[in-house]
Amino acid sequence: AQSVSQHNHHVILSEAASLELGCNYSYGGTVNLFWYVQYPGQHLQLLLKYFSGDPLVKGIKGFEAEFIKSKFSFNLRKPSVQWSDTAEYFCAVNDTNAGKSTFGDGTTLTVKP
Amino acid sequence: GAGVSQSPSNKVTEKGKDVELRCDPISGHTALYWYRQSLGQGLEFLIYFQGNSAPDKSGLPSDRFSAERTGGSVSTLTIQRTQQEDSAVYLCASSRIQGPSGNTIYFGEGSWLTVV
Repeated sequence: AQSVSQHNHHVILSEAASLELGCNYSYGGTVNLFWYVQYPGQHLQLLLKYFSGDPLVKGIKGFEAEFIKSKFSFNLRKPSVQWSDTAEYFCAVNDTNAGKSTFGDGTTLTVKP
Repeated sequence: GAGVSQSPSNKVTEKGKDVELRCDPISGHTALYWYRQSLGQGLEFLIYFQGNSAPDKSGLPSDRFSAERTGGSVSTLTIQRTQQEDSAVYLCASSRIQGPSGNTIYFGEGSWLTVV
């Protein structure tokens, strides 16, 4: 069975700092990769996704993520965070054979103004 | 509808009572998930339906929890003899397995359950 590991449970940054949230998965087959975000009081929504092609994907609000197949990783990055990025971030991996997605435990990001 | 619809949005129930939570997925989505999210916690997988295949029930925490999906569309999550530890937000999500946005999961707003 596949699993998803998010290494940081809680990250605290000041505005304008750079962000990198780690995500590793354990599955040897073909996968689709996702980052979802949950802003305070809102429901989960898609931030960005990787299906195929360029392993560096761009998402909304200046976020990007890089798929490194050899490392089974899909880390989320943003060069300069804003207070409004305060949220919980979830990495997810979809097994394209079984169709089922698995989520990591989430990382809470707090950005101090 | 345009998105995943869940009802009720809020439910307060007495300990020991049964509750039913409903999910109406996006039309055409063959995959449906139930998750639970407790305060300050991550997503806890409960159950996964995919088409006509047998559901993956591996996340159900006890036999008090059950779910069904009728006609490959609407799903109901039932919690029998509710306990205070069942208090959480119950999230439903759906996805299309094939197509340009295949496997992207769309979440509902959740059903907030409080057991008193």
